[in-house]
Amino acid sequence: GAVVSQHPSRVICKSGTSVKIECRSLDFQATTMFWYRQFPKQSLMLMATSNEGSKATYEQGVEKDKFLINHASLTLSTLTVTSAHPEDSSFYICSAQPTTTGTGKIFSGNTIYFGEGSWLTVV
Amino acid sequence: DAKTTQPPSMDCAEGRAANLPCNHSTISGNEYVYWYRQIHSQGPQYIIHGLKNNETNEMASLIITEDRKSSTLILPHATLRDTAVYYCIASNDYKLSFGAGTTVTVRA
Repeated sequence: GAVVSQHPSRVICKSGTSVKIECRSLDFQATTMFWYRQFPKQSLMLMATSNEGSKATYEQGVEKDKFLINHASLTLSTLTVTSAHPEDSSFYICSAQPTTTGTGKIFSGNTIYFGEGSWLTVV
Repeated sequence: DAKTTQPPSMDCAEGRAANLPCNHSTISGNEYVYWYRQIHSQGPQYIIHGLKNNETNEMASLIITEDRKSSTLILPHATLRDTAVYYCIASNDYKLSFGAGTTVTVRA
């Protein structure tokens, strides 16, 4: 079964409004979660790294004031697309890093699971 | 993540084995080879991963060359449901970088 879940799976919002997408780790606690965006016929592009209890780290070219990330608990990260525009319409996907891996620990090749994705359509 | 190179597309016959190649000639010693697939309108589905040794699970087998510069994902008996984009990723981090992948079409 899914160990990373996203909600909603599909959302339509009006231009200028904000929309929130949730990413939950179901079977483990996640200190870090990752948010990706995928446009039609393109590959996944990493947007930001969500860190529990601290600010998110954004990839170059991603507007932090437009894509607000909150990682308030060890099982939940939210991505809020503010003042959405039609060009923000995309498939948003998250993945999660288990807390047990810690920081500074050597990566041991654990399985990395992704959420089911959330389709955002801005009209 | 080390750069990976995959063929853009492949056709496979239903019921036959599908062999998907991936080149990762600059892979570092601590980078794992991950394979994911993405069926239309869904999130990436984990298939298999490995470091040095060949791996097998209920979905597929992963063959990594001795020098680790390339690998092959084997779907033993392809079905129409295996039609998807397959991504090969070399990484030593939870933050994965996706390339263009291989679009695999399984034909009846």
